[in-house]
Amino acid sequence: AQTVTQSQPEMSVQEAETVTLSCTYDTSESDYYLFWYKQPPSRQMILVIRQEAYKQQNATENRFSVNFQKAAKSFSLKISDSQLGDAAMYFCAYRSGGGSQGNLIFGKGTKLSVKP
Amino acid sequence: EADIYQTPRYLVIGTGKKITLECSQTMGHDKMYWYQQDPGMELHLIHYSYGVNSTEKGDLSSESTVSRIRTEHFPLTLESARPSHTSQYLCASRSGGSNQPQHFGDGTRLSIL
Repeated sequence: AQTVTQSQPEMSVQEAETVTLSCTYDTSESDYYLFWYKQPPSRQMILVIRQEAYKQQNATENRFSVNFQKAAKSFSLKISDSQLGDAAMYFCAYRSGGGSQGNLIFGKGTKLSVKP
Repeated sequence: EADIYQTPRYLVIGTGKKITLECSQTMGHDKMYWYQQDPGMELHLIHYSYGVNSTEKGDLSSESTVSRIRTEHFPLTLESARPSHTSQYLCASRSGGSNQPQHFGDGTRLSIL
């Protein structure tokens, strides 16, 4: 079975600085998708960024980028120019590709604090 | 922003009551999901559906039940609420494409006294 591990329960970053959140996963599959979701306190969980395993190029979305290392099964999230609104729980998630049913497997999350 | 709605947002109710948590989406998504999440913890899948009249149990055992009579509606029911059911319940949906992400509702925070 696939597993997702986020080894940093909490992280802190100074406003305008850069922070990297770690995520590793375990799978024997070659076709899958990886996601980072953000869940602000008492607010809706939203997608931050996604990566297809077959793509070598790292995904980027404005200030958010990933470092996808397929061989190492690592999928870290980098947040540049951190803003107060980035404070939230961040969840890494895995989904099988191909003909699978495609349910998400979540990590335990990393709570990010942004200091003004 | 995705159009997926959950009601109520908060519910405090006594033990033994029957509860239905509502989830509706207006995007025509065929796949829908229910997750249970304790504060500050990870999400656990408790139910999912791939279309009308399709429901499956998730990875986490739950005493709740679901139904999918209409594409847009995926309610979750607890026949007799207990304090152990106190948690946050998140509903999500997605379209059928393999790379499509799940879109989440605001969640229902349930407290059973």
